[in-house]
Amino acid sequence: GAGVSQTPSNKVTEKGKYVELRCDPISGHTALYWYRQSLGQGPEFLIYFQGTGAADDSGLPNDRFFAVRPEGSVSTLKIQRTERGDSAVYLCASSSRQGDTGELFFGEGSRLTVL
Amino acid sequence: GDSVTQMEGPVTLSEEAFLTINCTYTATGYPSLFWYVQYPGEGLQLLLKATKADDKGSNKGFEATYRKETTSFHLEKGSVQVSDSAVYFCALYSGGSNYKLTFGKGTLLTVNP
Repeated sequence: GAGVSQTPSNKVTEKGKYVELRCDPISGHTALYWYRQSLGQGPEFLIYFQGTGAADDSGLPNDRFFAVRPEGSVSTLKIQRTERGDSAVYLCASSSRQGDTGELFFGEGSRLTVL
Repeated sequence: GDSVTQMEGPVTLSEEAFLTINCTYTATGYPSLFWYVQYPGEGLQLLLKATKADDKGSNKGFEATYRKETTSFHLEKGSVQVSDSAVYFCALYSGGSNYKLTFGKGTLLTVNP
């Protein structure tokens, strides 16, 4: 497709379970970002990839969160031992080059609910 | 650290009314400033931006001017339409090579016919 695609759009899981959220960026975009948006809040930065490597993972809240982008395209955000506080909308964004326009292209998000 | 403070919502207006959504920021250096918009059922998209003091960003009838002296980037539109109903986010980028944006909490705008 033409835009950033995220799956699943909705995920309900139980506390303690493992979850994977997938992001398919715009073709050719080398930069990929994950943000988390809690209810009533703006998006908060989690991690940034330039190509295959995580250039900045300073926003990951703890070691239960991990993200990969093995071939420099699709990325997966992985959450282990989920907690109720992890419930949020997880947003993925991509851009063609770092730093020159500030325009990130966002997907519609994956809404995670931890019961 | 960097922060963005937006006017609390929700904001409800009638069609053709004047819109202002206030945004102020705290940042190191001279940030670039953005307004993103999220229409119902869609992802965030860039509405407009300004990269230096006194710049005016504009798009779709919306405008915002980068005011360094008041650290503000208020969003305005002279005549809103029903189709402008959305959540509006003010954001900044203060430097570095990863283009990490800092967002405000968002303001929900509802425009009634």
